[in-house]
Amino acid sequence: EVQLVESGGVVVQPGGSLRLSCAASGFIFDNYIMHWVRQVPGKGLEWVSLINWDGGSTKYADSVKGRFTISRDNSKNSLYLQMHSLRTEDTALYYCAKDIVKDGPGDAFDFWGQGTMVTVSS
Amino acid sequence: QSALTQPASVSGSPGQSITISCTGTSGDVGYHNYISWYQKHSGKAPKLILFEVSNRPSGVSNRFSGSKSGSTASLTISGLQAEDEADYYCSSCTRSNTLVFGGGTKLTVL
Repeated sequence: EVQLVESGGVVVQPGGSLRLSCAASGFIFDNYIMHWVRQVPGKGLEWVSLINWDGGSTKYADSVKGRFTISRDNSKNSLYLQMHSLRTEDTALYYCAKDIVKDGPGDAFDFWGQGTMVTVSS
Repeated sequence: QSALTQPASVSGSPGQSITISCTGTSGDVGYHNYISWYQKHSGKAPKLILFEVSNRPSGVSNRFSGSKSGSTASLTISGLQAEDEADYYCSSCTRSNTLVFGGGTKLTVL
């Protein structure tokens, strides 16, 4: 059974930093692109970032480029999102999601975690 | 990376069919066939219901179908059931190999 379990969400002050983690199990982790997707409560989904199977290719939404860094450790079946210079508008539920492909353009998200809540507030 | 355009809400009676549109540009929906659709019930994680325009993952009902014409993709749900009431999101890969979601559509089953 595929499982994605996010952690690391907390309340942080504007300008602060945070690292989210996603522990994956039930599939061959280094065979797939992985993503972070967020949702502001009551609003729609927003794609944040992707990383290909070996970490050699990453992409970011314009809203987080230069502030967030996605990475993965295939030996630990784990995905990460390092977040710096956090803004109030980064407040959201952050989901880890698995793609259906290994490399190339991101395609579709076939498994999702339950999310971890990040609140940026003074 | 502007969000794709979806109607805010649609509704239909049990047994009817509804269609949700997802309009983008020549740089996203019109560029790739990496168009996917997600069903999201409140408090739950999204569920993939269509990928690559019209392909259904294993276990998804054949009442869900998809199509694309130019820069507009569409999701059709036939034989509406009460359990279909949820938010629906489209997603597309872009020319720059990033991804973008639609704003979401709330489906109400009357």
